[in-house]
Amino acid sequence: ELKVEQNPLFLSMQEGKNYTIYCNYSTTSDRLYWYRQDPGKSLESLFVLLSNGAVKQEGRLMASLDTKARLSTLHITAAVHDLSATYFCAVINTGTASKLTFGTGTRLQVTL
Amino acid sequence: DGGITQSPKYLFRKEGQNVTLSCEQNLNHDAMYWYRQDPGQGLRLIYYSQIVNDFQKGDIAEGYSVSREKKESFPLTVTSAQKNPTAFYLCASRLDRTDTQYFGPGTRLTVL
Repeated sequence: ELKVEQNPLFLSMQEGKNYTIYCNYSTTSDRLYWYRQDPGKSLESLFVLLSNGAVKQEGRLMASLDTKARLSTLHITAAVHDLSATYFCAVINTGTASKLTFGTGTRLQVTL
Repeated sequence: DGGITQSPKYLFRKEGQNVTLSCEQNLNHDAMYWYRQDPGQGLRLIYYSQIVNDFQKGDIAEGYSVSREKKESFPLTVTSAQKNPTAFYLCASRLDRTDTQYFGPGTRLTVL
C-alpha cells in the first residue's frame, strides 16, 4: 500500500525566511504532484514532477524529485504572506488509472 | 468558461437521509474522481471513473454510490449507510493520456 508522508505538518515562518517542506513516499512512483489549498477552497495544481532529478520553479516556490530516495521537496524562498496556505504532495499509484495518494498536508503560515 | 462545477457549495442533511452531490465538467475530460477531505487531513479517494458507464471503488467507497451516464457528469450519492459523512467533498477530472487532475470547488456536507 502506497503511503505518503509530509513534514512538517504545520510551519509558521516570518516573511523573508527560507524553508523546505518534505514529502516521502513508500513505493516506487515517478510522478509526483504539489497542490496548494487555501482555507475552505479547492486544490490548485502547482507542480508536476515526472522524472528523477526533476526540478521546477514558480516564483518563490521550487519543487524537486528524487525517485531513488522516494523524496520530494518544496522549497520556499523569501516567504511572503500570500504564500500562507496548506500544501499537499500527491503520488501516482503506478498502473492504477492515475489514482493519487495524498500526503496529510503542510499548513504554512507566513507572519508579517 | 471551461471548468468543473460542483453543487451545492454547502449541504445539510439529517441523519438517515441519502443526498446526492453534483459534479459536472465541460473540459471533455475522460476520467473523473471523487475525494473526501476531513479537517486537517489529506484527500482520500471514494470512487473514480475512466469512461462512461464504468466506475471503480476507491479506498473508502463504503456508504457511497456513483453513476457515470454521461461523460461530463459524475454524481456522488452519500447514503445513510455512511456513518460519518460530514466532510468536504472534492470532484476532479483528468484528460486521458495525461496525469494531472483538476479539482472542482468542493461541496461541504454537514450532517445534523
